[in-house]
Amino acid sequence: DAGVTQSPTHLIKTRGQQVTLRCSPISGHKSVSWYQQVLGQGPQFIFQYYEKEERGRGNFPDRFSARQFPNYSSELNVNALLLGDSALYLCASSAAPRERAETQYFGPGTRLLVL
Amino acid sequence: QKEVEQNSGPLSVPEGAIASLNCTYSDRGSQSFFWYRQYSGKSPELIMSIYSNGDKEDGRFTAQLNKASQYVSLLIRDSQPSDSATYLCAVRPTGRRALTFGSGTRLQVQP
Repeated sequence: DAGVTQSPTHLIKTRGQQVTLRCSPISGHKSVSWYQQVLGQGPQFIFQYYEKEERGRGNFPDRFSARQFPNYSSELNVNALLLGDSALYLCASSAAPRERAETQYFGPGTRLLVL
Repeated sequence: QKEVEQNSGPLSVPEGAIASLNCTYSDRGSQSFFWYRQYSGKSPELIMSIYSNGDKEDGRFTAQLNKASQYVSLLIRDSQPSDSATYLCAVRPTGRRALTFGSGTRLQVQP
């Protein structure tokens, strides 16, 4: 079975531009979470979606937005890019949000460089 | 105080030794704990999850949880050079959907 897929793998943008990152979860998984990982740090939570509804949002500005489609794939959009948005963007897939036993599996990530 | 704290390392151990990685967390009500391994330039890969106090073993890996001390650890027995990576501790705090990660501990296994 295919794992979590993300596209593109790498991206270079300039300040002020907009970017869209894509994620397809593991087959049968209905929940997608997005994380940002800056070099030398652990991943930081951006959004979680389940059944096309936002279930959680991290401490990120409104320039960050996301959505989930009927096939459970997801897009993360970042507007007005800043140099500080340069990071590895990770998508994590889980079967469904559950209080205790929800396990998240990460995709390969999209490495974004903002110049 | 950070929500999840790990020693950044590097932790250097000889091949065949036991590597011990530690993590403390601040939310006493946390119920779910995970260890991920991340090779340089790659994404995190799940190693183990643990939900109850005590030990949980999977092959060469043992996760240990002590909720009273708010402490979770990962032991790697018979460490191999291929275990050299950054190990991320992740906690799901009370009432939250997302995982909170530590900054990771870099492990170096010397041949």
